[in-house]
Amino acid sequence: AQSVSQHNHHVILSEAASLELGCNYSYGGTVNLFWYVQYPGQHLQLLLKYFSGDPLVKGIKGFEAEFIKSKFSFNLRKPSVQWSDTAEYFCAVRLAGANNLFFGTGTRLTVIP
Amino acid sequence: GAVVSQHPSWVICKSGTSVKIECRSLDFQATTMFWYRQFPKQSLMLMATSNEGSKATYEQGVEKDKFLINHASLTLSTLTVTSAHPEDSSFYICSARGDRGNTDTQYFGPGTRLTVL
Repeated sequence: AQSVSQHNHHVILSEAASLELGCNYSYGGTVNLFWYVQYPGQHLQLLLKYFSGDPLVKGIKGFEAEFIKSKFSFNLRKPSVQWSDTAEYFCAVRLAGANNLFFGTGTRLTVIP
Repeated sequence: GAVVSQHPSWVICKSGTSVKIECRSLDFQATTMFWYRQFPKQSLMLMATSNEGSKATYEQGVEKDKFLINHASLTLSTLTVTSAHPEDSSFYICSARGDRGNTDTQYFGPGTRLTVL
């Protein structure tokens, strides 16, 4: 079955630590990949997306993600996290040309000042 | 950026009543809108996809007679939970995709928390 996996359910980091959140998917064919962030009490916001081209994608707020096709992965990274990065992070996948987004279960990031 | 609003943000109703949730794209025309449901500590599950002026496409396992979706205009979609029961209590989120900027991006509303007593 098609799925999106986020293996880290809750990550706790100190400020200035580096972040990497895993995302793996099991769809065949061409996919579009997304990372969304949900700050406490707010709606989902797009962090970054990958459709084609350079597999290293840079998004807002210093986040980046790398698409590794051979590993079916799209991990999110940030070299130095801030307290304001505390939020829930969702990876999402869409088959190219399709409407539907399939979401992972989310990873809660807590950054300790 | 593109803004999507939902109303109400939270609602409490008695079992057996119907509840309508509105989703609006405020500064762009949404040719396609999506309705999701999110259970506590779980991911967003797509319920249905609606295109303006046509019937919604429901995901497998979603009762279309219970979750009525209307996408009457390019800026408004509504989800009506009919004869609500406690198990329908959840967080309902809409998203919209349209003619603003990159049409491949979905913009999400803030969600509506439904509690059925």
